Amino acid sequence: AQKVTQAQTEISVVEKEDVTLDCVYETRDTTYYLFWYKQPPSGELVFLIRRNSFDEQNEISGRYSWNFQKSTSSFNFTITASQVVDSAVYFCALSEAARGSTLGRLYFGRGTQLTVWP
Amino acid sequence: GAVVSQHPSWVICKSGTSVKIECRSLDFQATTMFWYRQFPKQSLMLMATSNEGSKATYEQGVEKDKFLINHASLTLSTLTVTSAHPEDSSFYICSARPRLAGASYEQYFGPGTRLTVT
Repeated sequence: AQKVTQAQTEISVVEKEDVTLDCVYETRDTTYYLFWYKQPPSGELVFLIRRNSFDEQNEISGRYSWNFQKSTSSFNFTITASQVVDSAVYFCALSEAARGSTLGRLYFGRGTQLTVWP
Repeated sequence: GAVVSQHPSWVICKSGTSVKIECRSLDFQATTMFWYRQFPKQSLMLMATSNEGSKATYEQGVEKDKFLINHASLTLSTLTVTSAHPEDSSFYICSARPRLAGASYEQYFGPGTRLTVT
């Protein structure tokens, strides 16, 4: 079973629209971290946020905001007033409190391709 | 700070040859490095976890004799694709976990290496 599900494969919006990218995760651990990464066409992953399982406070960073809800195992990402430069693939990822040699490994969702049209 | 480099950034090789990809943490020591593979329009899949001074831990389905990983120092891990075939063409991304990361699960990604096997 997938540990991270991003049900939206592609989203298209027009500039200045708000858009929410969904992420649902699955884990049995009580300690874990959730991440969002942006991957522009160049391919390099850009770190956006890391949130641990004990901190359910929503976070806002400029036009970006994240809604973490343990009750629904979701960690959604909203871009307000989207811009063309936001066009990229966005990945949600989970890191569990793995034991042994793979501590810190990330489980990625399939990604959501966001296209923002001018 | 926390920069990870990969070399080369792209490589084209002929079928049957071997290719070595380097992953370096430039300004920190990394006890753990992860190697991911990403096919076009797909997610990142963990291939192996590399711990300094010990053998790499490979994910199920990844041939360890084909994808040789060496983590010889706290700043360098190498992935060698032996006897490459066209189906090995992919985007290979490494990430490095700082020695002092502790329970924060932070890690930093390299820019990726695009391998094309003809």
